[in-house]
Amino acid sequence: EAGVTQSPTHLIKTRGQQATLRCSPISGHTSVYWYQQALGLGLQFLLWYDEGEERNRGNFPPRFSGRQFPNYSSELNVNALELEDSALYLCASSFGSRGGETQYFGPGTRLLVL
Amino acid sequence: ILNVEQSPQSLHVQEGDSTNFTCSFPSSNFYALHWYRWETAKSPEALFVMTLNGDEKKKGRISATLNTKEGYSYLYIKGSQPEDSATYLCALGSTLGRLYFGRGTQLTVWP
Repeated sequence: EAGVTQSPTHLIKTRGQQATLRCSPISGHTSVYWYQQALGLGLQFLLWYDEGEERNRGNFPPRFSGRQFPNYSSELNVNALELEDSALYLCASSFGSRGGETQYFGPGTRLLVL
Repeated sequence: ILNVEQSPQSLHVQEGDSTNFTCSFPSSNFYALHWYRWETAKSPEALFVMTLNGDEKKKGRISATLNTKEGYSYLYIKGSQPEDSATYLCALGSTLGRLYFGRGTQLTVWP
């Protein structure tokens, strides 16, 4: 069974540009989560999508947005990039979303903002 | 925001040693406790999900216990091997989808 996949693996942008990160969940999973790990910090929750709807978002500015497609894949968009957006972005998926389900993680996209 | 604390921050042991780490969390409104192993340049790997006070889970040489009343979980590794070297993360689950992660314990096992 294929795991969660993310693309690209690395992304280099300049300040003010937009970045688009993509995630494909495990087949059959309907929930997709996005997390950020900035340098020196732990994993911080960004967004949760379930059945095509945004269900919850973390304490991040509106520049961080995304969507979930009918095939349950997801896209994270970061507008007006700032230097501090440089981080590892992890996507995870789960079957259901009641809190006790395991979230399975992808390998991440490392974003560098210059 | 729920505060999840892990200790120690890092740990160096010799091959064959047994070791354990701690995850502390607020005991009120507990829902689920997750443990992950994260090796460098790989995806975080799910180890356990525990939901009931007194839960004990085991996977090979790794086991975990949960005390929801006092707000802690222990992860044990018996007979550590170099391939156990990784960062071990614990996270609180919630009904709002998000996981609240600790900063992790970085384990290095020397041959």
